Amino acid sequence: LAKTTQPISMDSYEGQEVNITCSHNNIATNDYITWYQQFPSQGPRFIIQGYKTKVTNEVASLFIPADRKSSTLSLPRVSLSDTAVYYCLVEGWGQNFVFGPGTRLSVLP
Amino acid sequence: GAVVSQHPSWVICKSGTSVKIECRSLDFQATTMFWYRQFPKQSLMLMATSNEGSKATYEQGVEKDKFLINHASLTLSTLTVTSAHPEDSSFYICSASGLVSGREETQYFGPGTRLLVL
Repeated sequence: LAKTTQPISMDSYEGQEVNITCSHNNIATNDYITWYQQFPSQGPRFIIQGYKTKVTNEVASLFIPADRKSSTLSLPRVSLSDTAVYYCLVEGWGQNFVFGPGTRLSVLP
Repeated sequence: GAVVSQHPSWVICKSGTSVKIECRSLDFQATTMFWYRQFPKQSLMLMATSNEGSKATYEQGVEKDKFLINHASLTLSTLTVTSAHPEDSSFYICSASGLVSGREETQYFGPGTRLLVL
């Protein structure tokens, strides 16, 4: 059972870079780390996924250290529309998909 | 790519009636589909996992006779809430995983269905 731990909430201002770290100490060898964004009354939206080192796409970067026991989602220059709940999920075959409480990001003007 | 739809997006029903929610993968074949429930201000709670053509696997505490899941094809799964009661009011979200971008394990979520039982 891959359990994750994240900060419950974070505040930021528009234009700042936001880094959200997730701990997943019992990640298995074949597991990937996926981050989702959820707005109220909507399903989670896939943001980024990685296995190790660094992954970057048009909306975010994901940093994973060599031991893979944690990962950091980096959102460059956040805007008000980035206010949402962010979940990290360890995904792999045979895992029970346990969503943690997520991180509630509030972006202030 | 990897789009998942749900229908209906919201439903209001009387206590004691049954409600069916559909989940479809629109542009990929979903070998596995998942059903979650989410209460206000809380995280998603996995209810069950289903593979095409086989019985669903329910999480502990989820009544399989109350929440009937059918995964009849590689693009469609349905959740039927039987004899719904007010405490079943919640936000139900499905997700699907299949061979997308070379990986089968990643979940792609539907937009959710808001159920209100009066």
